[in-house]
Amino acid sequence: GAVVSQHPSWVICKSGTSVKIECRSLDFQATTMFWYRQFPKQSLMLMATSNEGSKATYEQGVEKDKFLINHASLTLSTLTVTSAHPEDSSFYICSAGDRGLETQYFGPGTRLLVL
Amino acid sequence: TQLLEQSPQFLSIQEGENLTVYCNSSSVFSSLQWYRQEPGEGPVLLVTVVTGGEVKKLKRLTFQFGDARKDSSLHITAAQPGDTGLYLCAETSGSRLTFGEGTQLTVNP
Repeated sequence: GAVVSQHPSWVICKSGTSVKIECRSLDFQATTMFWYRQFPKQSLMLMATSNEGSKATYEQGVEKDKFLINHASLTLSTLTVTSAHPEDSSFYICSAGDRGLETQYFGPGTRLLVL
Repeated sequence: TQLLEQSPQFLSIQEGENLTVYCNSSSVFSSLQWYRQEPGEGPVLLVTVVTGGEVKKLKRLTFQFGDARKDSSLHITAAQPGDTGLYLCAETSGSRLTFGEGTQLTVNP
């Protein structure tokens, strides 16, 4: 099956710094990637939809200037959490859809802890 | 935005028991997916149901889609500790997935 990787798998940073998370589709081209956030004991909440070569579409309540998304190639999307604060600590998961978007393939997630 | 309610929210059972978890919506699903997520990992797709009344089986897991396509259930027979995880239903609408609140299942040996 299709494989999606995320890097790093976990990161600890100081408050006020920026953190970049990478999402890669390893064996297929992903025209669309999705970024989710999951707090402990809660479900996945869609943050934004990233389309290759165009601006991301953010869900209501998600600050686009704080969560910068870049999808510059068909196999890579990045999420940058700018000026991170402790309340940004969460599990960030990406998924990638193939051209037909019939199935989303999920990455293993990135655990972010902001001190 | 469609609201997906899952019940129960938490379930702790003994190995060998059967269980059913439910996913309900305020409106009709276009199609529905069930996922299982283990701690520290991304969700893994178990099944997609599309047709009202559809029943799909995956080993000890049986998935049903309601006739009116507004509800779905996941039944696990003879649960094993390896079934422990967060079970999520998700409605598919075009390229979007909207997840339910999840059912945290713990199967004790």
